[in-house]
Amino acid sequence: RKEVEQDPGPFNVPEGATVAFNCTYSNSASQSFFWYRQDCRKEPKLLMSVYSSGNEDGRFTAQLNRASQYISLLIRDSKLSDSATYLCVVSDGSGDKLTFGTGTRLAVRP
Amino acid sequence: EAGVTQSPTHLIKTRGQQATLRCSPISGHTSVYWYQQALGLGLQFLLWYDEGEERNRGNFPPRFSGRQFPNYSSELNVNALELEDSALYLCASSLRGLSEQYFGPGTRLTVT
Repeated sequence: RKEVEQDPGPFNVPEGATVAFNCTYSNSASQSFFWYRQDCRKEPKLLMSVYSSGNEDGRFTAQLNRASQYISLLIRDSKLSDSATYLCVVSDGSGDKLTFGTGTRLAVRP
Repeated sequence: EAGVTQSPTHLIKTRGQQATLRCSPISGHTSVYWYQQALGLGLQFLLWYDEGEERNRGNFPPRFSGRQFPNYSSELNVNALELEDSALYLCASSLRGLSEQYFGPGTRLTVT
């Protein structure tokens, strides 16, 4: 089983749609969780950290379910500029080594 | 505030040569991480340096090595280059003990 698993997509949605991505992780001792965004041939950029209580940043909401070992990202009112690959990232027990999922591709169409 | 910088942007080498890639972290960050991203694949963790010491390494052969300098900048060396080493090499930095990592633009290494 992969340490971090994501549906590769692509998710092809119209502008204004709501889209959700899920990610599962295998290490129950993982301490920190993140969503990164990566545009084609660019570096990953931190989108948001994921907290146990869930957190929201504008149109983006992240949730963590430790019992089931999954993380989710919800994007509301999708924009064309949201088209990118979204990487689920999980730290190890010490919090220093990050393991990246292979990413979920999102394509938002006009 | 300046972000993570990497040089060179592109590097072309032939099989068997050595490549040296450089990274400067965000000011105040003491940890530097190196990742390899081959075309169409996810990021693979290579090395982690903090306070001048190698703290952890991924599943890569010893010909991948590096170091961190007193000013926290870092260098990644790849010896005896192989064709499959062609990839985007990303450097990230973070505050020690904080997992949020910030990436540089990467060095695209092509081995012919």
